[in-house]
Amino acid sequence: NAGVTQTPKFQVLKTGQSMTLQCAQDMNHNSMYWYRQDPGMGLRLIYYSASEGTTDKGEVPNGYNVSRLNKREFSLRLESAAPSQTSVYFCASGSYEQYFGPGTRLTVT
Amino acid sequence: AQKITQTQPGMFVQEKEAVTLDCTYDTSDPSYGLFWYKQPSSGEMIFLIYQGSYDQQNATEGRYSLNFQKARKSANLVISASQLGDSAMYFCAMRAYYSGGGADGLTFGKGTHLIIQP
Repeated sequence: NAGVTQTPKFQVLKTGQSMTLQCAQDMNHNSMYWYRQDPGMGLRLIYYSASEGTTDKGEVPNGYNVSRLNKREFSLRLESAAPSQTSVYFCASGSYEQYFGPGTRLTVT
Repeated sequence: AQKITQTQPGMFVQEKEAVTLDCTYDTSDPSYGLFWYKQPSSGEMIFLIYQGSYDQQNATEGRYSLNFQKARKSANLVISASQLGDSAMYFCAMRAYYSGGGADGLTFGKGTHLIIQP
């Protein structure tokens, strides 16, 4: 039982490049989430998906897009990366307590 | 909108002592949940304990308990008999629950860095 998996674990991008962060869960959860964590801060919600086929903006959605591909998978896309998007990105799933993936450390230069 | 405040950026505690990590929250939603997560230096987020706004009793999970004072909007985490492995960042979080079964994401505090000293 893998729980929540994320790929990649680390990524370095140049300003303006695009990339997609992948997330999958095997716990049959309806709800999935993307957060970012910056130094000295708690996690902040980027987007969430309450069920397959629906997505909603969180606190900090600008510069990101998401796709809920199916019940298992929820991807986060940066279309044109900016240095301000340097952060650790966490995917989570669950309706009551949320189970988190291991995170993706992204650096934009 | 919800807000979580953790007023202790860092704490040093002697091993085997009990620890209280403070958390106050603000929300106008009548139905909500309160959570504590642990983030060790390895970076993963580990769920510790949950308290629902309508729960009559304080939640407990092993050495963790949540001191829930609803009128004061307080949800402090108590760790009994601290261990060296408890050294980590601790985050308080909350989410609202809506009629119809909906729920959005968690709102986190900025965290408390707990260091257990031998």
